[in-house]
Amino acid sequence: AQKVTQAQTEISVVEKEDVTLDCVYETRDTTYYLFWYKQPPSGELVFLIRRNSFDEQNEISGRYSWNFQKSTSSFNFTITASQVVDSAVYFCALRGRAYGNKLVFGAGTILRVKS
Amino acid sequence: EAQVTQNPRYLITVTGKKLTVTCSQNMNHEYMSWYRQDPGLGLRQIYYSMNVEVTDKGDVPEGYKVSRKEKRNFPLILESPSPNQTSLYFCASSLYNGQGLGNTEAFFGQGTRLTVV
Repeated sequence: AQKVTQAQTEISVVEKEDVTLDCVYETRDTTYYLFWYKQPPSGELVFLIRRNSFDEQNEISGRYSWNFQKSTSSFNFTITASQVVDSAVYFCALRGRAYGNKLVFGAGTILRVKS
Repeated sequence: EAQVTQNPRYLITVTGKKLTVTCSQNMNHEYMSWYRQDPGLGLRQIYYSMNVEVTDKGDVPEGYKVSRKEKRNFPLILESPSPNQTSLYFCASSLYNGQGLGNTEAFFGQGTRLTVV
């Protein structure tokens, strides 16, 4: 089966702290894709990053960074120097060809950044 | 501007009264899908469509119908809504590039918050 686990239901940090959101996945696909989406209080889903299973390079985009490790089936997301505007629900998702290319989401992690 | 448009954004209805949530995309995407979002469960796929006249069930299709008569539109139909269908619904579209969907992101609509009383 294809499954995404975000074990952290809710995280609270103080502004400027670094925070890591965990994502663990399960799939029998050898080719698959991982995504992170942000859902701010306004409710829309904002695409953050896509990573394929053949590319284990970590990625940094401004204050955001992602650590993909196939050995542990994890795709963790770190926000450096968090800001109040980072407060949102963050979803990790998995898409694999063996499952009809369906996008499977984790339950999401609520991040609250306090000033 | 590339976008997926859902309507309405908010809807309160009564049990058993048929309703349709519309979804339209302007990116000429082949793949479209509907999700519902519930607390603690993330987003779960209801139905999807690989192209015009091609639809299939997702993980939670019971109580829903879809149609894909045109490439740009993918309406979600609740023939007889019940309170357990109260949820936040998202429509999404993706480009199918002939090599599969995996390497393309899904574009989401703004969401429709449905309450069935």
